[in-house]
Formats: sequence, structure tokens, C-alpha cells
Amino acid sequence: KNEVEQSPQNLTAQEGEFITINCSYSVGISALHWLQQHPGGGIVSLFMLSSGKKKHGRLIATINIQEKHSSLHITASHPRDSAVYICAVRSATSGSRLTFGEGTQLTVNP
Amino acid sequence: DAGVIQSPRHEVTEMGQEVTLRCKPISGHDYLFWYRQTMMRGLELLIYFNNNVPIDDSGMPEDRFSAKMPNASFSTLKIQPSEPRDSAVYFCASSTGTSARSSYNEQFFGPGTRLTVL
Repeated sequence: KNEVEQSPQNLTAQEGEFITINCSYSVGISALHWLQQHPGGGIVSLFMLSSGKKKHGRLIATINIQEKHSSLHITASHPRDSAVYICAVRSATSGSRLTFGEGTQLTVNP
Repeated sequence: DAGVIQSPRHEVTEMGQEVTLRCKPISGHDYLFWYRQTMMRGLELLIYFNNNVPIDDSGMPEDRFSAKMPNASFSTLKIQPSEPRDSAVYFCASSTGTSARSSYNEQFFGPGTRLTVL
């Protein structure tokens, strides 16, 4: 079992739909990151959180430390949101090392 | 700031050749990370530095891989000799610190170097 598991692996939505991507992890963590990888390959950090909830524009990230679970929500999805979304955790005992999930491929159709 | 700069963007080489990938972190960042991304294994951390000192190199696949950070503005990842299974995209990232309480733990990624070993 991977330390970080994401679901779904692939997600297709229609423009305007509300989207949720889930991330579960099995280790104690000091922080969790959500990354976005564009079709061209570039990686952008969306959120880093260790508790609660963060919001940036149409993106919302939540984390439940007790349940070892995080979700990334996209409201009013748009075709430009099409990308791979990657969850990564920094364990409480591994310093700055990040362990990555396999990513969720999101396609938003017009 | 130009962000994290990596060179070259693409590298095609033959098996057995030495390959050197270069990274310039964002000025003022004291952490530098090297990652590898493949279809089979996804993103993996290879090594990271803090204040130019290697902190964790447990992700470096084998002795053919080496990384250096001679100063705060430059790092190299070297593969010698290269093998076809080293073909991947190599990302460099930098950050200002990793305290869980800090709001500046975000890692900024470079555009990556796509390496193909024939």
C-alpha cells in the first residue's frame, strides 16, 4: 500500500461542475501539499496545509488530520483547470522529504 | 524574480555518456530539491540541500548519480554513466524553509529537464 493514495485516478467533468479530488495518507505528517501539473509539464504549488482549510480563488483545500485525509475542491470548473493534480505529504519524521501520490488526471470539457 | 531556472530543457544522450543537469534556485531560498518523474514511478525525491549542504540523499538511485551545490545559487545533478532507464523528467525546486508553522514552505518548481538516454 502506498503511503499516499489519491482518488480518482482520472476524472472527466463538464464545465461548471464542482470537482473533488481526494488524498489519503498513512503516516503522521507535518504538512500536506497540493500541486498542479499542466499539460506542458510545469508544476505549480497550489496549497500547503497542516490543518483546517485554505481557499484561493475557485480552489479549496481541506485536511482532516485525525482521519489522515485531504480533499481538493474546484468550484465552477473550467477547461483551463484540466491538469494533473498531485497530493504530497511531508511526514513528521522525515524532515523536508515529500512523498507523492500518483496524481489525478482532470479533464474539464467545454 | 525569474523563478527556478533549469538547463538544459531537453537532453538526448547515448548510453554510457555523462549527463549534467543544472539548477539555479530562487534567490534567498535556502532549500533546494531534485526530483525525478517517470510514468512508472511518478514523482520521486532524489536529494535535497539546506544551505548548500546535502540533508537527505536516500532517494538517489545508485552511485551513478551525484549532486552538488557549490553555492547558494547553483546546483548540479550528474549521471555517469547514463543508462536508458534514467530517461525521465528531472525537476529542481526551491523553498525558503520547511517549518510547519511557516507560511513560506511552498516549493517552487523549475520547468524540468527532459532526459532521454538512447
